[in-house]
Amino acid sequence: DADVTQTPRNRITKTGKRIMLECSQTKGHDRMYWYRQDPGLGLRLIYYSFDVKDINKGEISDGYSVSRQAQAKFSLSLESAIPNQTALYFCATSDLLKTRNEQFFGPGTRLTVL
Amino acid sequence: QKEVEQDPGPLSVPEGAIVSLNCTYSNSAFQYFMWYRQYSRKGPELLMYTYSSGNKEDGRFTAQVDKSSKYISLFIRDSQPSDSATYLCAMSAITGANSKLTFGKGITLSVRP
Repeated sequence: DADVTQTPRNRITKTGKRIMLECSQTKGHDRMYWYRQDPGLGLRLIYYSFDVKDINKGEISDGYSVSRQAQAKFSLSLESAIPNQTALYFCATSDLLKTRNEQFFGPGTRLTVL
Repeated sequence: QKEVEQDPGPLSVPEGAIVSLNCTYSNSAFQYFMWYRQYSRKGPELLMYTYSSGNKEDGRFTAQVDKSSKYISLFIRDSQPSDSATYLCAMSAITGANSKLTFGKGITLSVRP
């Protein structure tokens, strides 16, 4: 079954550490997104990519960077993690031709920064 | 004012109740309206998708859009414990090149057996 997968599913790290969250998809979609979800704040867009050569900042990109290594892979990095980056992180995909603007979400990565 | 406002809840109802979930928005360019359902420890999944104004029904679920009032609703009839989840509204101005979604904050629904 075509899917969106995220690794790791859970991660605990310390302030100042570099962290990479990875997202892979087998849906063949061209667009990929990274969101974070916090209680009371909902889903907020961090970065998005409409194709391999396209990277765009979302509403809360400070402290984060991304890499689109291939159409199917989109990684999110925290160069120097801080406690207020503790959150649930979701990767999502969509496709200009196949899905209109419906997005398909991965299962999430729960990140805790101590 | 936030572009999309959603009552944060939480909401608790008895099994069999009719549930009404609502969002308001300020951007009159929004044309595509969605409801996502998110179970605990899972990613959001699309539940309903509506273009422009009107109603759409799918089983026990009805999505309603009133663009004149900038108001959308999701109705759940004969609610079941399996409907217990967080519901997020989402909307987009256009499809195609710039089709990012703007989400409400979500409301957590609990249906009591």
